[in-house]
Amino acid sequence: DQQVKQNSPSLSVQEGRISILNCDYTNSMFDYFLWYKKYPAEGPTFLISISSIKDKNEDGRFTVFLNKSAKHLSLHIVPSQPGDSAVYFCAARFSGGGADGLTFGKGTHLIIQP
Amino acid sequence: ETGVTQSPTHLIKTRGQQVTLRCSSQSGHNTVSWYQQALGQGPQFIFQYYREEENGRGNFPPRFSGLQFPNYSSELNVNALELDDSALYLCASSTPGSSYNSPLHFGNGTRLTVT
Repeated sequence: DQQVKQNSPSLSVQEGRISILNCDYTNSMFDYFLWYKKYPAEGPTFLISISSIKDKNEDGRFTVFLNKSAKHLSLHIVPSQPGDSAVYFCAARFSGGGADGLTFGKGTHLIIQP
Repeated sequence: ETGVTQSPTHLIKTRGQQVTLRCSSQSGHNTVSWYQQALGQGPQFIFQYYREEENGRGNFPPRFSGLQFPNYSSELNVNALELDDSALYLCASSTPGSSYNSPLHFGNGTRLTVT
C-alpha cells in the first residue's frame, strides 16, 4: 500500500515556463513533507520542506504548497531551467513516530526542453 | 565540510552470499539511516542508528542488519542475499539532536547486483 503517490512518472516542460510536480498521500498522520531531487549516479539532494502547520513555503525558484484537506502537495519551479532536469521525489514523515524514516513516492522525471 | 561517502560504488554478489556496505556520515552528523531503492521505485527506509544503537526500522527482514561506530560511520550487512536485494543502497545522515524535522543528506549510494 503506497502511502505517498506521485502519479506522473514523467513531465516535460519548456525552459522558462513553470514546472508543477504533484504528490498525494494517504496517511493523515504525516506532518512533515520534503522534496528531493536526484541526478543519475548521485544520491537524492534535499530541495525544500514544509510542515503541516503551513500551507506554503518558498525558497528562491522553488515553492511547495500543502493542501491538508486534500492530502496533496505540489512543488512549483519558476522559471524552469535546463539544470532542473532530474527525478523529483516527494517524501513524508510523522514527527511523533520516533525514528520511522521517510516514506518516499516513486518519483517524477522532469525534463526541461530548450 | 565533508559530505556523506559510501563504499563501494558498485558490487556484484551471488545469491546466498553476504555483503557489507559502508558509509561515512557528514561531519557533525550523529544519526545515520539506510534506504534501499529498487529500480523504478522511491527509496525505502531500512533502519536508523543513533548513538550506536538501532532506534528505528522499516519493513525489512532480520537478515538486514547494521552497525554504527563511535565516529558515527556505519555499516549495512545483508545475509543470505536474494535476487530481489539487487538495488541502490543509500546512506543518509542528519544533524545532531532531533532528526525528525532535519532533512537527510544522502550519499551517492552503492549499486548492488545479485546474480
